[in-house]
Amino acid sequence: NAGVTQTPKFQVLKTGQSMTLQCAQDMNHEYMSWYRQDPGMGLRLIHYSVGAGITDQGEVPNGYNVSRSTTEDFPLRLLSAAPSQTSVYFCASSYSRDTDTQYFGPGTRLTVL
Amino acid sequence: GEDVEQSLFLSVREGDSSVINCTYTDSSSTYLYWYKQEPGAGLQLLTYIFSNMDMKQDQRLTVLLNKKDKHLSLRIADTQTGDSAIYFCAERRGKLIFGQGTELSVKP
Repeated sequence: NAGVTQTPKFQVLKTGQSMTLQCAQDMNHEYMSWYRQDPGMGLRLIHYSVGAGITDQGEVPNGYNVSRSTTEDFPLRLLSAAPSQTSVYFCASSYSRDTDTQYFGPGTRLTVL
Repeated sequence: GEDVEQSLFLSVREGDSSVINCTYTDSSSTYLYWYKQEPGAGLQLLTYIFSNMDMKQDQRLTVLLNKKDKHLSLRIADTQTGDSAIYFCAERRGKLIFGQGTELSVKP
């Protein structure tokens, strides 16, 4: 198994540009989530999905959209990038939301100028 | 409060024990976790403890849970330079709530 994969590893955007961060898992996990990591703030949940076709907001959803058309893929879209979205983004997955440990991808480091 | 609290930095000498502390918020949290993040990498699950346990040992790692004080600790015995990383505790309240991370520096 490849586990949780994320692309790209690094990205630089200009303010106002849009882009999609890709996340895929091959473990047949139902639950997938996106976090952002900022210095001194730990990880904050952006959006999550409990299965294909179902998504919901986390703590910091503004400026981001998600969709879950398949079990494997959970892309994160930045609609109009802002410097405040400069961060490291992690995708994670697990069998279920409430009891299982989450497996994390390697992260995408995003800089918005 | 809402936050899971950790001290930000810890420095130890190689061969010593490291103890990383965490205070969590909800006494009804079912699972508590320790994750390790090496530079430039994602989070790797180190260990977890179910809330009805007081202690869990896994090789060099010992997790202690004090439910009354909502205090979780991770002890690393015989700390090595390869243990240098950021360590996150997390509690499960439905979703995972992470602390800010403790940066462990191991000096030779």
